[in-house]
Amino acid sequence: KAGVTQTPRYLIKTRGQQVTLSCSPISGHRSVSWYQQTPGQGLQFLFEYFSETQRNKGNFPGRFSGRQFSNSRSEMNVSTLELGDSALYLCASSSTTGSYNEQFFGPGTRLTVL
Amino acid sequence: AQSVTQLGSHVSVSEGALVLLRCNYSSSVPPYLFWYVQYPNQGLQLLLKYTTGATLVKGINGFEAEFKKSETSFHLTKPSAHMSDAAEYFCAVGDQGAQKLVFGQGTRLTINP
Repeated sequence: KAGVTQTPRYLIKTRGQQVTLSCSPISGHRSVSWYQQTPGQGLQFLFEYFSETQRNKGNFPGRFSGRQFSNSRSEMNVSTLELGDSALYLCASSSTTGSYNEQFFGPGTRLTVL
Repeated sequence: AQSVTQLGSHVSVSEGALVLLRCNYSSSVPPYLFWYVQYPNQGLQLLLKYTTGATLVKGINGFEAEFKKSETSFHLTKPSAHMSDAAEYFCAVGDQGAQKLVFGQGTRLTINP
């Protein structure tokens, strides 16, 4: 089975712009979660989508949004970029069987805001 | 709210020595606990997990961890370090049924030849 894929792997944007990141989960996985990783704040949960609905949300401003499509692929969008948005954005997918659903992570998209 | 504390942002050991990475958690419900490893420019790879049952959990690459409820700890160990173990390690706690992980700040493991 192919793993979680994220595109693009690297992005450079300037302040004020917006950006869209894409995540394709493992085949059959219906839950997709997003995390932001920075040297200062570490790994922080952004949001989780399941069956095209946001099920959980972290403590991030409304500039951060996401969506999920019927094929479980997910996108996250950041509008009005700030320097502090520079980070590695990780996507994780999980199945929905069993009492616990292990999360499998993609390689991440490294966003640099200039 | 759940939280994770990893003691030591940087640990250095000699090749062949014991690896011990410390993790303490806070959770109001029985926790699901995880250790992930991250190599440079890569995502996170699951080393091992505790959900229920046996408190000593064995993972990949010779790592294991013991869940100690009384100490709210989930320390990661490996008897003999290998150069390839050099990476950053993250302890995380998860809600039952919620696909949200709360991570510790990470511990960078360096292996000296």
